[in-house]
Amino acid sequence: DTGVSQNPRHKITKRGQNVTFRCDPISEHNRLYWYRQTLGQGPEFLTYFQNEAQLEKSRLLSDRFSAERPKGSFSTLEIQRTEQGDSAMYLCASSLVLNGYEQYFGPGTRLTVT
Amino acid sequence: AQKVTQAQTEISVVEKEDVTLDCVYETRDTTYYLFWYKQPPSGELVFLIRRNSFDEQNEISGRYSWNFQKSTSSFNFTITASQVVDSAVYFCALSEATGGSEKLVFGKGTKLTVNP
Repeated sequence: DTGVSQNPRHKITKRGQNVTFRCDPISEHNRLYWYRQTLGQGPEFLTYFQNEAQLEKSRLLSDRFSAERPKGSFSTLEIQRTEQGDSAMYLCASSLVLNGYEQYFGPGTRLTVT
Repeated sequence: AQKVTQAQTEISVVEKEDVTLDCVYETRDTTYYLFWYKQPPSGELVFLIRRNSFDEQNEISGRYSWNFQKSTSSFNFTITASQVVDSAVYFCALSEATGGSEKLVFGKGTKLTVNP
């Protein structure tokens, strides 16, 4: 059973560019979550999917952010017109859709916007 | 609104000492889940434990133990006979059963350094 994988692990981009991150969850997990973690803080929820449906988005997720999970398997998170404030670690997690089941996290994608 | 407070920002101990990491939570839900995660220097969050709000039994797993007290809204984590490999940032998290997402709300973390 492979864990959650994320690509790329690191991304450096210039302000104003678009970036896209990918997350591959644990295969039998039907819930997929995106979180953002800045230095010295705990992860903050961005959005989640149950199968292919995006069911909740945090107000942290501005219009420049979009996430998809087209076939209920992998997910992508795109940030358009990046800003320096977008620099953070973007974490993906997956879980089963049973009450309170633990979320398993990937290694994260560290984004640096210059 | 749900909230998790980890008042200890950093703790430094010498190997073999016992150390307790504090976690206090706030929620209006009667059904909720509490978690501890470990984030070593490599960065990946590692799941340690999950408790539901109806199970106040303390739990022990090897050198790790957890003390859940609803009366004080606390879910503290103790490492017995700490080792250098325990050095990491530890996060306490809460998810509420209502609302459907069961998203995790994390505290700010406690950085534990175990010195040889």
